[in-house]
Amino acid sequence: NAGVTQTPKFQVLKTGQSMTLQCAQDMNHEYMSWYRQDPGMGLRLIHYSVGAGITDQGEVPNGYNVSRSTTEDFPLRLLSAAPSQTSVYFCASSYSGRVWHEQYFGPGTRLTVT
Amino acid sequence: GENVEQHPSTLSVQEGDSAVIKCTYSDSASNYFPWYKQELGKGPQLIIDIRSNVGEKKDQRIAVTLNKTAKHFSLHITETQPEDSAVYFCAATGANSKLTFGKGITLSVRP
Repeated sequence: NAGVTQTPKFQVLKTGQSMTLQCAQDMNHEYMSWYRQDPGMGLRLIHYSVGAGITDQGEVPNGYNVSRSTTEDFPLRLLSAAPSQTSVYFCASSYSGRVWHEQYFGPGTRLTVT
Repeated sequence: GENVEQHPSTLSVQEGDSAVIKCTYSDSASNYFPWYKQELGKGPQLIIDIRSNVGEKKDQRIAVTLNKTAKHFSLHITETQPEDSAVYFCAATGANSKLTFGKGITLSVRP
């Protein structure tokens, strides 16, 4: 198993550009989530999904969109990038979001918005 | 919503000593408390977790204790080694499918 994969590893965007961060898992996990990690702020939940076709907002959802058309994929879209979205983004998956189990994290995407 | 506090933000110990990291949470309905370790340039990785029906759990050199009355839980690492140096995150969750993380603590183990 590849586990949780994320692409790209690094990205530089200009303010106002859009892009999609890709996330895929091959463990048949129901639950997937996106976090951003900023210095001194820990990991903050952006959006999450408890299954295909179901998504919900986390703590910091503004400026981001998600969809979950398949069990395996959970892309994160930045519609109009802003410097405040400069961060490291982690995707994670877990067997279920109803009874908590280990979350498996991807390697992260480091995004810089200039 | 849940609020998880983690103190201090940094901790330095001598190799072989024990390290204790404490977290507090606010939502009495929270029932799952994991600890994650993040090495430089990598994603966090679960090292141990505990559910609210258990007071303590051990796995080799690491243990977690939970005090539901006081709403705090702690990570204990014994016989620390240089490879234990990393950022450690605690987290808590209830029934709302959201895992709330603390801000993390940087543990340095001095050889």
